Amino acid sequence: DIVMTQSPVSLPVTPGEAASISCRSSQGLLNSNGYTYLDWYLQRPGQSPQLLIYLGSNRASGVPDRFSGSGSGTDFTLQISRVEAEDVGVYFCMQALQTPFTFGPGTRVEIK
Amino acid sequence: VQLVQSGAEVREPGDSLKISCQGSGYFFMKYWIGWVRQKPGKGLEWMGMIYPGDSETIYSPSFEGQVTISVDRSTRNAYLEWSSLTASDTAIYYCARLETYSGRNDAFEIWGQGTMVIVSS
Repeated sequence: DIVMTQSPVSLPVTPGEAASISCRSSQGLLNSNGYTYLDWYLQRPGQSPQLLIYLGSNRASGVPDRFSGSGSGTDFTLQISRVEAEDVGVYFCMQALQTPFTFGPGTRVEIK
Repeated sequence: VQLVQSGAEVREPGDSLKISCQGSGYFFMKYWIGWVRQKPGKGLEWMGMIYPGDSETIYSPSFEGQVTISVDRSTRNAYLEWSSLTASDTAIYYCARLETYSGRNDAFEIWGQGTMVIVSS
C-alpha cells in the first residue's frame, strides 16, 4: 500500500494570513497517462469531507481560488492564500493512483 | 446530484447490519461508489468500491472478508453489510461517488452525509 504522511499535525492560523500543508507519499503518484493522482479534502467540524483539489492542482467546482495545490512525485502542498474562519477543519490528502486508495492522517487547521 | 445514506444504527456485538447509500440526479450506473470509514476522532480509511454498471467490486485488503459491498440498480442503492459486528466497527461510514476527470477514477467528488454505526452491548 502507498503510505501517506502529512505535516503539520495541527496548524493555528490568523485570519487573513497564508497557510501551507505538506503531504508526502511513499511512492510517486504520477501515472503513465501524465496525471498525478493526489487529491485534497476538507472535513469541517461535524460534516462530511468535501473535495478541494483533484489531480494535484485542479480546484473542484465551487472551491474558492484562495486554495491551490502543487507538487509532483512524492511531495505535495496545499496552500491557502488568505485563511478565513470557514476554512477551519481537518485537511486530508489522498492518493488515487492505486487501490487501496489511502489517506493522509490529516492536518487540523484552527483559528488563533 | 446527491448521495443520501440511511440513518444511524445501534447494534449489539454479533448482530448483522446493512446500510445504504442512494444516488440521485445522475446516471447511477456510470460512476463507481466507494465506502470510507471514520472511527471516532480518527482519520479516513478507504474500504472498497463498486461499479453499479456491472457490480465489479474492489476491496481494501484491510476490509476484505469483513464487509460486503453490493448494489441494487433498480433502487439506485449501494450497500455496506456486516454479518457479525464487533465493537471495533463503531464508526461513521461515508459513501462517496468517484469522478473520472482523467478518464479513470481519481477523486471522491460527491459524498453522502454519513451513517453512524454504534456497536455496544
